[in-house]
Amino acid sequence: KAGVTQTPRYLIKTRGQQVTLSCSPISGHRSVSWYQQTPGQGLQFLFEYFSETQRNKGNFPGRFSGRQFSNSRSEMNVSTLELGDSALYLCASSLDADRGGYEQYFGPGTRLTVT
Amino acid sequence: QKEVEQDPGPLSVPEGAIVSLNCTYSNSAFQYFMWYRQYSRKGPELLMYTYSSGNKEDGRFTAQVDKSSKYISLFIRDSQPSDSATYLCAMARMDSSYKLIFGSGTRLLVRP
Repeated sequence: KAGVTQTPRYLIKTRGQQVTLSCSPISGHRSVSWYQQTPGQGLQFLFEYFSETQRNKGNFPGRFSGRQFSNSRSEMNVSTLELGDSALYLCASSLDADRGGYEQYFGPGTRLTVT
Repeated sequence: QKEVEQDPGPLSVPEGAIVSLNCTYSNSAFQYFMWYRQYSRKGPELLMYTYSSGNKEDGRFTAQVDKSSKYISLFIRDSQPSDSATYLCAMARMDSSYKLIFGSGTRLLVRP
């Protein structure tokens, strides 16, 4: 089975711009979670989608948003970029605990640099 | 206080040594426990996952969970230089298994 894929892998943006990141989960997985990883804060949960619905959101400002499509692919968007948004953005997919699989598998990440 | 505490290391061991990595947590609602390995500039790779107390073995890796002490461990036998990476523990509540809370990660260096 193909793993979780994320595009693009690298991105350089300027403060004030917006960005959209894409994630394709493992085939059959319907839960997609997004995380931000920085040297100072480590890995932090952004939000999760299941069947096109956001079930939970982490402690991030409203500039961070996402969506999920009917084929389970997911996108996250960050508007009005700030320097502090520079990070590795990771997507993870799972079957979902209620459906026999709670373990999450991560993609390679998108490294975003804001200048 | 963080919900999940993990010694950042670095931990340096000779090749062939047994490595012990540990995490403690404060939230007794955590029921799912995972260990990930992350190489520099890569995504985390799932190594072990369990929801019960006790030991789970997979090849050179053994995951141990002690819910009464709120303590989890990962043991690596016959460590190899290729095991050099950052190891992250992660855990989740039963009602939100998709929301992983991570430790800060332990850097491991296995010397040839």
